[in-house]
Amino acid sequence: GAVVSQHPSRVICKSGTSVKIECRSLDFQATTMFWYRQFPKQSLMLMATSNEGSKATYEQGVEKDKFLINHASLTLSTLTVTSAHPEDSSFYICSVDRAYGYTFGSGTRLTVV
Amino acid sequence: DAKTTQPPSMDCAEGRAANLPCNHSTISGNEYVYWYRQIHSQGPQYIIHGLKNNETNEMASLIITEDRKSSTLILPHATLRDTAVYYCIVRVEDDKIIFGKGTRLHILP
Repeated sequence: GAVVSQHPSRVICKSGTSVKIECRSLDFQATTMFWYRQFPKQSLMLMATSNEGSKATYEQGVEKDKFLINHASLTLSTLTVTSAHPEDSSFYICSVDRAYGYTFGSGTRLTVV
Repeated sequence: DAKTTQPPSMDCAEGRAANLPCNHSTISGNEYVYWYRQIHSQGPQYIIHGLKNNETNEMASLIITEDRKSSTLILPHATLRDTAVYYCIVRVEDDKIIFGKGTRLHILP
């Protein structure tokens, strides 16, 4: 099946700084990727749909100016958390849609201090 | 909002079959039933999906009732590594995947 690589797996940053998370589809050209966020003991929440060569589509309540998504190629989507605050600390997961469903990355745990 | 209802948690003895139920009474004719699981601190893993017929693969079996209003995921011989949160999801092909709260499955040694 498809392999989705996320980097970094863990990151700690200071409040007010920006953090970039990469999501790579290693064996599948993905015109669409998806970004989810998961707080402790909660389910995954879809944040946005990343579209290759065009603007991302954000779910209701997700600040597009805070969570910048770039999908510049068929194998790479990036999520940048700008001006991070402690409440942005979470587990961020990307995914690629295959014919049988989504393949998910291993996730990035962001801690903002 | 999630279109499925699952019990919040279940226990299963190691080596026994784990049967995880899911209600999806408002499912539409073109919506598939998907199952994923998430082991702690990892990304979700695809397990199986189906439309009307029962399905089986190397991981599990999916039993869908004739009226399609509910389904059961069966892990035939549960091991400790099957401890995870299991998500039942209904979706039209190519539609977004929206997660509900899932069932936390504990495999007991």
